[in-house]
Amino acid sequence: DGGITQSPKYLFRKEGQNVTLSCEQNLNHDAMYWYRQDPGQGLRLIYYSQIVNDFQKGDIAEGYSVSREKKESFPLTVTSAQKNPTAFYLCASSTMMNTEAFFGQGTRLTVV
Amino acid sequence: EDKVVQSPLSLVVHEGDTVTLNCSYEVTNFRSLLWYKQEKKAPTFLFMLTSSGIEKKSGRLSSILDKKELFSILNITATQTGDSAVYLCAVKGNTGFQKLVFGTGTRLLVSP
Repeated sequence: DGGITQSPKYLFRKEGQNVTLSCEQNLNHDAMYWYRQDPGQGLRLIYYSQIVNDFQKGDIAEGYSVSREKKESFPLTVTSAQKNPTAFYLCASSTMMNTEAFFGQGTRLTVV
Repeated sequence: EDKVVQSPLSLVVHEGDTVTLNCSYEVTNFRSLLWYKQEKKAPTFLFMLTSSGIEKKSGRLSSILDKKELFSILNITATQTGDSAVYLCAVKGNTGFQKLVFGTGTRLLVSP
């Protein structure tokens, strides 16, 4: 089955630690995105990528980093510089045409 | 700056009621408006609207876009408890990248 897989579903991190969230898609999509969702808020764009080895900052990129070494994979690292990392993180992908984006099941990150 | 405003933020209805959710937007070079349903985790795609006045329909759900007044509505008739979810509206501009800008969502609770 084609889709987007995010792992892990739940993640706990101590303050000061970096953590990497995984996102893999087998939809052959060129574009991939990372969004953050906080309670009572919509989805805010962190980073996006249109092709391999290229990515751009979204609206709230500070404290995050990404890589796009393969078309299928777009991991997100939450660094210790992110002041308020506890949130629900969603990865998505789409074609480069005017089509919908497909979402993974999300990773809930909690800083303890 | 692109902006999406959804209303109401939340509402509670009884099973069998009809509800209308609203989405207004400001976006540079509008390309499309999308509706998603988010129950627990991954938002699932409902509709994509690109042209004014053309209703999209899927079962009890329907949506229409007014590009002149910059808004869209999502109607749900004969609501069921399974319709309880957060409904997200997003717009896509044509600024060189297909970035989706999301509203805060409308939380719908359908009581039995």
